[in-house]
Amino acid sequence: EIVLTQSPGTLSLSPGERATLSCRASQSVSSSYLAWYQQKPGQAPRLLIYGASSRATGIPDRFSGSGSGTDFTLTISRLEPEDFAVYFCQQYGSSPWTFGQGTKVDIK
Amino acid sequence: QVQLVQSGAEVKKPGSSVKVSCKASGGTLSRYAISWVRQAPGQGLEWMGGVIPLFGSESHAQKFQGRVTITADTSTSTVYMELSSLRSDDTAVYYCAREWTPGEFDYWGQGTLVTVSS
Repeated sequence: EIVLTQSPGTLSLSPGERATLSCRASQSVSSSYLAWYQQKPGQAPRLLIYGASSRATGIPDRFSGSGSGTDFTLTISRLEPEDFAVYFCQQYGSSPWTFGQGTKVDIK
Repeated sequence: QVQLVQSGAEVKKPGSSVKVSCKASGGTLSRYAISWVRQAPGQGLEWMGGVIPLFGSESHAQKFQGRVTITADTSTSTVYMELSSLRSDDTAVYYCAREWTPGEFDYWGQGTLVTVSS
């Protein structure tokens, strides 16, 4: 199975700053079948990005995804207070679908 | 608007089984796959398996081979996940999620906490 490694584990930033989250796969993710989810405490994950770079319905344009092959990035251009959360990447190019361990974005 | 509503929290003994339900409203359930994803306390997400209600076809991660059964009742728009031979490390929040395309989870249930303890 494909192992996804996210870095950093925790990112401490201030509102208005730019956040750059990394997701590296143990083998190439076919057809860029890579998604990003946001999860807040006590809530279910929310789909942000699919197909490596397409925003899901209702997701603000400050969220963007990029990358291909084994290296992917989620960028939040200007952090809003509601963006402080945990972010997971997930590959669905080959079964079983697998998730990264998460990056926590917290307030500096 | 699709909503997935899951059954309530469960406390189970080691070695027993648990069956969690996920009822869909506000849309057509049967043509989309519904998957189950679990999250142990303070941990990441783990895909367990899924079913396409229209066909009843099930798939699951090798890790859960022989222990998980995922079924669907299209008449009630409900999907079930049964996990057997429970162990303490099965303690987790279990989520159902709709796959609008294979592997992309666009709608999620609220989660069901399953606690395995003697």
